[in-house]
Amino acid sequence: EAEVAQSPRYKITEKSQAVAFWCDPISGHATLYWYRQILGQGPELLVQFQDESVVDDSQLPKDRFSAERLKGVDSTLKIQPAELGDSAMYLCASSSEGRSPLHFGNGTRLTVT
Amino acid sequence: LAKTTQPISMDSYEGQEVNITCSHNNIATNDYITWYQQFPSQGPRFIIQGYKTKVTNEVASLFIPADRKSSTLSLPRVSLSDTAVYYCLVVLGSGYSTLTFGKGTMLLVSP
Repeated sequence: EAEVAQSPRYKITEKSQAVAFWCDPISGHATLYWYRQILGQGPELLVQFQDESVVDDSQLPKDRFSAERLKGVDSTLKIQPAELGDSAMYLCASSSEGRSPLHFGNGTRLTVT
Repeated sequence: LAKTTQPISMDSYEGQEVNITCSHNNIATNDYITWYQQFPSQGPRFIIQGYKTKVTNEVASLFIPADRKSSTLSLPRVSLSDTAVYYCLVVLGSGYSTLTFGKGTMLLVSP
């Protein structure tokens, strides 16, 4: 079964540093999502793409977070500068269209020290 | 956006049937219900979705009463490996649908 690939699996960075996460969705999936999950909480949507266009980034802290999906395939989420409160699991998901089931990757565990 | 409410945690034993109920009082006519399962250090995994009555697949059953204000995920004969967090979500029936996860239900299956 095809999977959503994410890298790195783990990332430790110091506060004020820049950090980036990469996601490769399932081939052919037009919709891509980035979620953030704090320990003990459910995933929180950061940004949703339809092809290369952002359709929802209302919860993305735009002063420090940015996301792009330039060719409508893979995507990068960046944080600059990282803060202690950004420590969390960052999950990428994709779906073939907006209301079909989401397929999640195994995430990137970020620790900011 | 229909808010969902589900128990924070449930306990069960191996071999038992587990029913997790979710309330979604404000569900709109075209919305439907979906459930995900999440193990530690993994992303959520789709289990089942439905609009009304009953849906069954190889993993679970989903029961939705006529008023659709609640739904019940039924896991038959659970095993230790079913220990996970289960999320109930409402998918909007029109427009771009953004899945909003709550805290889910932590199911602990004991021997």
